[in-house]
Amino acid sequence: ETGVTQSPTHLIKTRGQQVTLRCSSQSGHNTVSWYQQALGQGPQFIFQYYREEENGRGNFPPRFSGLQFPNYSSELNVNALELDDSALYLCASSSYPPPSGVMNTEAFFGQGTRLTVV
Amino acid sequence: AQTVTQSQPEMSVQEAETVTLSCTYDTSESDYYLFWYKQPPSRQMILVIRQEAYKQQNATENRFSVNFQKAAKSFSLKISDSQLGDAAMYFCAYRRNSNYQLIWGAGTKLIIKP
Repeated sequence: ETGVTQSPTHLIKTRGQQVTLRCSSQSGHNTVSWYQQALGQGPQFIFQYYREEENGRGNFPPRFSGLQFPNYSSELNVNALELDDSALYLCASSSYPPPSGVMNTEAFFGQGTRLTVV
Repeated sequence: AQTVTQSQPEMSVQEAETVTLSCTYDTSESDYYLFWYKQPPSRQMILVIRQEAYKQQNATENRFSVNFQKAAKSFSLKISDSQLGDAAMYFCAYRRNSNYQLIWGAGTKLIIKP
């Protein structure tokens, strides 16, 4: 069991609408990553937040945006929804050590939000 | 760019037997990590095992072990004494040492026959 929780678990939206997905990171974790997993495929990296700033982004358009809050929880926002945005959205939290350290802790995942765009 | 390939969309094995899932990857980096994740119907990705590229010794976690061939860029997962609870999608993933961005394969569906 991990402490990463995502809400909502399922969501149905209409094309053109906007959606906000939420993620609470595991206690002690300060880095959050978001992934999109289309049906039958592996996850694709959307972006990562560390200390409330985006510090890595995959090949996703600007209508995918995010936030990280002081408590390290995070939101994923998607504007102008398209049918192809239908997917499972996974959040993963991890702990980044001091700047001189090595990233040797692994990510823990939530159960995801299943987004359906109709 | 790094890529991860899983060439087996589906594998099946008899309960209590051994099965091997294949994964190949491509990278020009020398320092990286490789992972196998399990995704049951509950959808949560669960870390099964990880391998640091700088370590020559293959990682082992109970019934799960890997065969890491760095020169061949191959990273297979062996599951011994398969159990019904092992049934799931298995994903191979890669990340560089410098960040947490995971690059994933397409997954292998593992079916356990009772």
